[in-house]
Amino acid sequence: AQSVTQLGSHVSVSEGALVLLRCNYSSSVPPYLFWYVQYPNQGLQLLLKYTTGATLVKGINGFEAEFKKSETSFHLTKPSAHMSDAAEYFCAVSNSGGSNYKLTFGKGTLLTVNP
Amino acid sequence: EAGVAQSPRYKIIEKRQSVAFWCNPISGHATLYWYQQILGQGPKLLIQFQNNGVVDDSQLPKDRFSAERLKGVDSTLKIQPAKLEDSAVYLCASGGQINEAFFGQGTRLTVV
Repeated sequence: AQSVTQLGSHVSVSEGALVLLRCNYSSSVPPYLFWYVQYPNQGLQLLLKYTTGATLVKGINGFEAEFKKSETSFHLTKPSAHMSDAAEYFCAVSNSGGSNYKLTFGKGTLLTVNP
Repeated sequence: EAGVAQSPRYKIIEKRQSVAFWCNPISGHATLYWYQQILGQGPKLLIQFQNNGVVDDSQLPKDRFSAERLKGVDSTLKIQPAKLEDSAVYLCASGGQINEAFFGQGTRLTVV
C-alpha cells in the first residue's frame, strides 16, 4: 500500500519569498514521486518527477524537489515566488514496477502568493 | 500534440438521474485512467485501462459506476443513478509509457 501526506492544506507567501511545500510518503517498494500543479478549473499539470538517479529533481517554472529516503520526504521548493505560482499543488506516489502504474495523491496544498 | 480531451466541461443533474462523460486520450497512449476529485481532496483513481482491458477498478463503485474503452481509444464513464456525493470533478488521464500520466481539463459534475 502507498500513501501521501501533505503537511499544510494552505500555504501563504509573499511575492519573492521562498516557497516550501511539504510531502511525506509511505510505500512498501521503492517509490516514484511526483508533483503536480492545478490551476482553477484546469486539469493537473506535471511539475517534476523522481524515478531513479539524482535525488534533486528540477522541474518547470523554477521548482525543484529533493527525494530523501531516510526521511520519506519529497518536499517542493522554489527560491522566489511569483504571483503566477498561486495554485493547488499535489504530491503523488506510485510503485516503481509492474504494469499497474497507479498514482496515489495527497490532499493538496493551496499556495497563495501575496503582493 | 493534442492533449487529453474531455466533454462536457460542466454538468448539473438531479439525484437519481444518469450521466455520461467522454474522454479522448492522446493519440497512441495505451493507458487510460479515470480519477474522481472531490472538492478539497486529491484525485482518487476509479479505473485504469491498458488498451481496452481493465487493469484496476478496485475503487470503482460498481453498483452505480461503469466505464468502457472500446477499441482501446476513447472511453466513457457512466453514473446511474447519481447520488449527491458523486458531485466532483472527473479527470481523465492517459499515458504512453510507464509512470506517465497526462490529464485532461476534467468534467465538473454537480448533483442536486
